[in-house]
Amino acid sequence: DQQVKQNSPSLSVQEGRISILNCDYTNSMFDYFLWYKKYPAEGPTFLISISSIKDKNEDGRFTVFLNKSAKHLSLHIVPSQPGDSAVYFCAATPSARQLTFGSGTQLTVLP
Amino acid sequence: EPEVTQTPSHQVTQMGQEVILRCVPISNHLYFYWYRQILGQKVEFLVSFYNNEISEKSEIFDDQFSVERPDGSNFTLKIRSTKLEDSAMYFCASSGEVGWNTEAFFGQGTRLTVV
Repeated sequence: DQQVKQNSPSLSVQEGRISILNCDYTNSMFDYFLWYKKYPAEGPTFLISISSIKDKNEDGRFTVFLNKSAKHLSLHIVPSQPGDSAVYFCAATPSARQLTFGSGTQLTVLP
Repeated sequence: EPEVTQTPSHQVTQMGQEVILRCVPISNHLYFYWYRQILGQKVEFLVSFYNNEISEKSEIFDDQFSVERPDGSNFTLKIRSTKLEDSAMYFCASSGEVGWNTEAFFGQGTRLTVV
């Protein structure tokens, strides 16, 4: 039972363009959503989060959008840079406790 | 910048042996977690720990697993009798509190290889 789904295992984007990573969830109890970035042989690094009372949160080049009715969130990175190449995990939690992760999307930003 | 540290970075053990994975969470954090990632799969929640007791655990966290905070700084995961399928990256995480705008910080992970 995949409560958090990332349907695209990989995404390639040209440097300077926008990267859009998508995530869907099924558990309506989730009220806090996070994006983590992971390089090989390292732990996940927190990027940005959004609570269910908002529909958008922005931090520099990163913006997360939440569509509660569709149970969908997305991460926009603009402009994309080669250093953004990593695996991006969407995660969700009820009441900010244990995280349920998606399967990840490998983003490759081409120079 | 404070960080979560894990030791060892890589542990090789024989099937049936006990292993202890160690973590030093961020010093003023109150909530501690273990996650694991089997190669090529998603990061999975194992257990959360607060106020010296387990607050939540997943189906993966069976009787073979235990956690302990033996002193004020360390947080350990013990696997009593390792199985081949326990081979994975194990990540420790900590957070300051539970609530909105509090994210978990992850360590670099321990790669456990059971042979």
